[in-house]
Amino acid sequence: AIQMTQSPASLSASVGDRVTITCRASQGIRNDLSWYQQKPGTAPKLLIYAASSLQSGVPSRFSVSGFGTDITLTISSLQPEDFATYYCLQDHNYPLTFGGGTKVDIK
Amino acid sequence: QMQLVESGGGVVQPGRSLRLSCAASGFTFDIYGMHWVRQAPGKGLEWVAVISYDGTNEKYADSVKGRFTISRDNSKNTLHLQMNSLRVDDTAVYYCAKDWRIRGIGLMDYWGQGTRVTVSS
Repeated sequence: AIQMTQSPASLSASVGDRVTITCRASQGIRNDLSWYQQKPGTAPKLLIYAASSLQSGVPSRFSVSGFGTDITLTISSLQPEDFATYYCLQDHNYPLTFGGGTKVDIK
Repeated sequence: QMQLVESGGGVVQPGRSLRLSCAASGFTFDIYGMHWVRQAPGKGLEWVAVISYDGTNEKYADSVKGRFTISRDNSKNTLHLQMNSLRVDDTAVYYCAKDWRIRGIGLMDYWGQGTRVTVSS
């Protein structure tokens, strides 16, 4: 199974900060990566698919860079509603595998 | 609007069985693959299983292979997860989720709110 290593596991940031989260795959996954946002007590929400395509309604402050094994999610200017846990998911091979998650909280 | 409502969770002893269901509405159920994903208390997400739109293709996580069976009833817009030989480490919130692409089995774009399964003696 492809292992997804997500870093950091947590970070503290302020509104307006630029935040980056990285997922590293144990083998090449082309652009078969998506990103999810989960707030406490709620279901995950799809943010980005096919490595860099924003899901409908997702603000443009979210972007992705990288290809293959190292892919980075960037939030250009953190907003209050962005405090949440973020997960990457590879769908290059089965079994699908998630990264361990990155919790973004308020500094 | 699109809705996925899970049911069937509860408290069960190790070794016993449980069947989860997911009622879908607001979209054309029989043209989308469907997934189960779980989340243990305080932990991350773990993909569990997927079934193709027509029920002919199923895939499972190694941790549940041989114990869990995913199925669907397109006439009733319902997804199921039959869980046998349950273990304490199967304790989690179980989410059903819709595949993002017509007739695909890739990533998930819409999730239900989950049903909680607790395996404990």
